[in-house]
Amino acid sequence: QLQLLQSGPGLVRPSETLSLTCTVSGGSISSSPYYWDWIRQPPGEGLEWIGTIYYTGNAYYNPSLKSRVTMSRDMSESQISLKLGSVTAADTGVYFCARRHASATDYFDFWGQGSLVTVSS
Amino acid sequence: SYVLTQPPSVSAAPGQTARITCGGHNLEFKSVHWYQQKPGQAPVLVVYDNTDRPSGIPERFSGSNSGNTATLTISRVEAGDEAGYYCQVWDSTSDLHVVFGGGTKLTVL
Repeated sequence: QLQLLQSGPGLVRPSETLSLTCTVSGGSISSSPYYWDWIRQPPGEGLEWIGTIYYTGNAYYNPSLKSRVTMSRDMSESQISLKLGSVTAADTGVYFCARRHASATDYFDFWGQGSLVTVSS
Repeated sequence: SYVLTQPPSVSAAPGQTARITCGGHNLEFKSVHWYQQKPGQAPVLVVYDNTDRPSGIPERFSGSNSGNTATLTISRVEAGDEAGYYCQVWDSTSDLHVVFGGGTKLTVL
């Protein structure tokens, strides 16, 4: 059974960089037709897509976050990583990694457990 | 970018049918996916490609999509169905490829 296990600090200071890792087990991060995405959810609000990384290493980001986001992958460790720079309180929320089934009608079939990140000094 | 509109809340008594709508321009030409999210948990895919159910999802969950509205129908509602529900589409025509609706809280009376 595919599992996505997230890790990373729960507290980040304003203006610093949020860093999270998603370790995938029970499957390969290079399998087709799957890509790997990050999605976040501010407290009490809905879901916001952050971006995606392909097994080639190419990434595509939400235009509203593009200037601050970097996603990467480590094939040897089966990990997907997210970095979000220059964070503010508005970046507080739960962050999810998720596997995207790519088929022209893409959807998310497996999710990580979520990581609560609070931006505060 | 594409916009999906959901009602903030829907309620249903146990045993009744709950219908959660998702509105968007010419939505019938897109495939709509639905997620259930219980408090403190990650979302779970309950319907994909408008009408298909992943393995393990009860037949009580069904979907439809026509015109500008997609609908998630939950038959014989149970207390355990109380959760937030989100619709989602893939929009390859805009810069924002993944679009979620704002979410609907289902309350079981």
